[in-house]
Amino acid sequence: EVQLVESGGGLVQPGGSLRLSCAASGFTFSSYWMSWVRQAPGKGLEWVANIKQDGSKKYYVDSVKGRFTISRDNAKNSLYLQMNSLRAEDTAVYYCARDYTAMALFDYWGQGTLVTVSS
Amino acid sequence: QSVLTQPPSASGTPGQRVTISCSGSSSNIGSNTVNWYQQLPGSAPKLLIYSNNQRPSGVPDRFSGSKSGTSASLAISGLQSEDEADYYCAAWDDSLNGVVFGGGTKLTVL
Repeated sequence: EVQLVESGGGLVQPGGSLRLSCAASGFTFSSYWMSWVRQAPGKGLEWVANIKQDGSKKYYVDSVKGRFTISRDNAKNSLYLQMNSLRAEDTAVYYCARDYTAMALFDYWGQGTLVTVSS
Repeated sequence: QSVLTQPPSASGTPGQRVTISCSGSSSNIGSNTVNWYQQLPGSAPKLLIYSNNQRPSGVPDRFSGSKSGTSASLAISGLQSEDEADYYCAAWDDSLNGVVFGGGTKLTVL
């Protein structure tokens, strides 16, 4: 059974940093692109970033470029999102998703982890 | 403002057929496949339709998708109360080099 479990969310002050993790199981992690998708409270879905199987390609939404870094450790079956210079508008539930084709096809999702940026 | 445009709301009575539209441009829907997601209240999104019109295993055939030019549609026939959810379309955008979502459509079953 495919499972994606996010962790690392919490309350952080504006300008602060946070690192999210996603533990994957039930599939060959190293064979798939992976993505982070977020959802602000009461709002719609917003794709944040994705990463190729070997980590050689990464894409980001414009609003997080230069502040967020996506990475993965295939030996640990884990996906990460390092978030720096956090802003109030980054407040959201962050979902880890398996990116089946790197073309917006997210076939499995985690349950999400809430990041709140507030003073 | 989302790159893909969906109506914010839709509604129907049990047994009815409803459609949800998703409008984009040549750089996203016009050149890439469209996927649809269902998000039940308080839950993570779930893949509903992929590659314009394909249903993952376990998704009832009441759900169908189509695409024409720079627009796509999701149709739900035989509407049921458990279909009440938010629905999102998504596609890769060649100009933005990223995934774009529609703003979401809240479906109410009256």
